[in-house]
Amino acid sequence: DSGVTQTPKHLITATGQRVTLRCSPRSGDLSVYWYQQSLDQGLQFLIQYYNGEERAKGNILERFSAQQFPDLHSELNLSSLELGDSALYFCASSSDPGSNEQFFGPGTRLTVL
Amino acid sequence: GQNIDQPTEMTATEGAIVQINCTYQTSGFNGLFWYQQHAGEAPTFLSYNVLDGLEEKGRFSSFLSRSKGYSYLLLKELQMKDSASYLCAVRDGGGATNKLIFGTGTLLAVQP
Repeated sequence: DSGVTQTPKHLITATGQRVTLRCSPRSGDLSVYWYQQSLDQGLQFLIQYYNGEERAKGNILERFSAQQFPDLHSELNLSSLELGDSALYFCASSSDPGSNEQFFGPGTRLTVL
Repeated sequence: GQNIDQPTEMTATEGAIVQINCTYQTSGFNGLFWYQQHAGEAPTFLSYNVLDGLEEKGRFSSFLSRSKGYSYLLLKELQMKDSASYLCAVRDGGGATNKLIFGTGTLLAVQP
């Protein structure tokens, strides 16, 4: 158990819908990262937050957005969902923005039908 | 562009040694990481190299050559529980930016 929690564990929805994935970092960690893992593309970095501010951005689609709240939990919002958005979404956290080790949560498996 | 290459699959025997290679071409470099991921589970950190050379940690060692854009992960005394996917990742950027670019992973099957 890494100490990072993610909810929900599984999510099944339809195309065109909007969902919110939630992540609570390890106690004391200020930096949060979101990744998408699909079968054909591997683990893809989406976005990094540190203490509420965006620090780095990957190939995150415009239909996706994220934020980190004052209590340090983070949410990833996915809208206008497409079949290709079906994937495992991982959240990770680290103590500081340049830390060498990121601790991954158990992931949310999103299925878009 | 960003490119990280690893073999897709490898098979090895329990008790043996296996080496998983990774080559990379990235616009920035601030360290190379290896993560282990069992099927359906979260990746877990194994090692980090930023300088050339070998880093040893128990049964696992990782090597880096920055001039060649090359790294390997060495697993000794293989156990059945080592059957997993091994992900090579490069940190692109420095300071407060901790963007990891992952390869597609090497699926290792350890056989009795």
